[in-house]
Amino acid sequence: ETGVTQSPTHLIKTRGQQVTLRCSSQSGHNTVSWYQQALGQGPQFIFQYYREEENGRGNFPPRFSGLQFPNYSSELNVNALELDDSALYLCASSSLDRRLAGYNEQFFGPGTRLTVL
Amino acid sequence: RKEVEQDPGPFNVPEGATVAFNCTYSNSASQSFFWYRQDCRKEPKLLMSVYSSGNEDGRFTAQLNRASQYISLLIRDSKLSDSATYLCVAGGSGSARQLTFGSGTQLTVLP
Repeated sequence: ETGVTQSPTHLIKTRGQQVTLRCSSQSGHNTVSWYQQALGQGPQFIFQYYREEENGRGNFPPRFSGLQFPNYSSELNVNALELDDSALYLCASSSLDRRLAGYNEQFFGPGTRLTVL
Repeated sequence: RKEVEQDPGPFNVPEGATVAFNCTYSNSASQSFFWYRQDCRKEPKLLMSVYSSGNEDGRFTAQLNRASQYISLLIRDSKLSDSATYLCVAGGSGSARQLTFGSGTQLTVLP
């Protein structure tokens, strides 16, 4: 187990609704990245939060938003849900030091499976 | 064109077989490369990092060719438990160092 938890596990919404997904990062990690994984595809980067600020964003519209709390847990909010938003939403926590080059392993949570009807 | 491309498969191989997965990436600024494994309806898990010098972990060997922007994974002596989707991943060089995933190659090892 990675120590990264996500809630809820599954969620069903209808078009136009709003949804909030939650992620608790691994102890000692300061960074949470969110990914969307559609069926049959690899995960796609949505955005990352580092020390409570957005630190990079993928090609997703503004209706995808997020925040990170002082304890480094994070939320992903999606407004005006569309059918194509149906996917597995993964969060990954890591320990990032932007002063240093190199890569720190990202540890994924089990995901939230969102179905939009 | 996708930033990371890999053969989707599926690859169906008998136990004990050797299987090779290939992947290409388009962003020459990518700094780090990985293979992740994803079991059905589970989260991706890091299998191994990939280095230009090549690296081996038991039955798994990964190789990176920066000039060709090509990554490979070789699995020797396949086990039933190797059945999964294998994701080729490039790590970005920006401040987020986000991961760019391929679509995955599905492997089924048959008894």
